[in-house]
Amino acid sequence: QQQVKQSPQSLIVQKGGISIINCAYENTAFDYFPWYQQFPGKGPALLIAIRPDVSEKKEGRFTISFNKSAKQFSLHIMDSQPGDSATYFCAASMNFNKFYFGSGTKLNVKP
Amino acid sequence: SQTIHQWPATLVQPVGSPLSLECTVEGTSNPNLYWYRQAAGRGLQLLFYSVGIGQISSEVPQNLSASRPQDRQFILSSKKLLLSDSGFYLCAWSNRVSEQYFGPGTRLTVT
Repeated sequence: QQQVKQSPQSLIVQKGGISIINCAYENTAFDYFPWYQQFPGKGPALLIAIRPDVSEKKEGRFTISFNKSAKQFSLHIMDSQPGDSATYFCAASMNFNKFYFGSGTKLNVKP
Repeated sequence: SQTIHQWPATLVQPVGSPLSLECTVEGTSNPNLYWYRQAAGRGLQLLFYSVGIGQISSEVPQNLSASRPQDRQFILSSKKLLLSDSGFYLCAWSNRVSEQYFGPGTRLTVT
């Protein structure tokens, strides 16, 4: 059973547009929700993360929106740039032990 | 600061040959350690995780094994590689109070 479901699988956005990636989870015991960015041939790098006690977290052009009642969270990339083209993974964890990853979203920002 | 190393960076091995991938972490003690595999264009599959020396949990039954001979060393092995073992192998660590950090990865091609 997939613990974290991510959509869409791929996304094409024009430069300057907003990229939105969604994730849903089932286990209410999850207490930490990170997003990772991965460029081809590289390991994933932590982008931004949120705890379930806040509804939104913003770091620069990246924002996580968290809906605890719906068990959903999403990544918004404002003013998307070609350099943001990468694969994005959401994840969920309990007590920072095992991390459950979504299936990934390949983002292509067109110039 | 913490650093995670993986080697080799790339590896081409024939079917039926043995495998040994190494991961080491610097700058932290008693970390949780993880091995993931990523098939081309796919998500992250957790293979093994370890909460301490000699303590290994296997997530997926297969012809791979893992060992943790030292606190900050994690080794992925196989006695006989299969074609399906090809992929991008990622080691990661977390210190139980923060997010997971990934290494640079090893690209394995089984021919």
